[in-house]
Amino acid sequence: QKEVEQDPGPLSVPEGAIVSLNCTYSNSAFQYFMWYRQYSRKGPELLMYTYSSGNKEDGRFTAQVDKSSKYISLFIRDSQPSDSATYLCAMSVAGGGNKLTFGTGTQLKVEL
Amino acid sequence: GAVVSQHPSWVICKSGTSVKIECRSLDFQATTMFWYRQFPKQSLMLMATSNEGSKATYEQGVEKDKFLINHASLTLSTLTVTSAHPEDSSFYICSASLALGGHTQYFGPGTRLTVL
Repeated sequence: QKEVEQDPGPLSVPEGAIVSLNCTYSNSAFQYFMWYRQYSRKGPELLMYTYSSGNKEDGRFTAQVDKSSKYISLFIRDSQPSDSATYLCAMSVAGGGNKLTFGTGTQLKVEL
Repeated sequence: GAVVSQHPSWVICKSGTSVKIECRSLDFQATTMFWYRQFPKQSLMLMATSNEGSKATYEQGVEKDKFLINHASLTLSTLTVTSAHPEDSSFYICSASLALGGHTQYFGPGTRLTVL
């Protein structure tokens, strides 16, 4: 079993839809949670960063962390074709030297 | 802020030659930089962690004599693929962490290496 599980998709939604992306993890020591967006043949771009449980909102993006369930989510409201990319969840432990453990990534396509 | 650059973005070389890839943090100091490899439609595979002024820590299965990493300053790390072979062809991405804490990594745009 992988430490971080993420549905690889592909996930196809119409423009304007609400997108829900999720990751589950097994290591209860993870405390820092991130979502990255990666366009084809580009480096990942940090979208959201959260510490411990709770919600965080930034524009059309909302990140949720439920440590009791070992489950994190990224919601994208009013999705746009420009949101079409691969979304990677990542997490780290305190004192881990900032080393990240990644999910496999979910490929999202937002269609006109 | 937190911009990381990589150079070159794309390189083709002959088998047996060495290739150097540079990673720079442009607007912040990074005590720790990371090097990843990514195959098509796969997630990032961490190769090594480098701290400024010290030897890199390589992940299991990564040949340190094959992939030489130097982190000479707080803003520059280099990865040299020595005696490259076609199986080394891949997308190499670096990242950097802020010097004063924080658990996020900021990624460079990546370097596509093709070995003929």
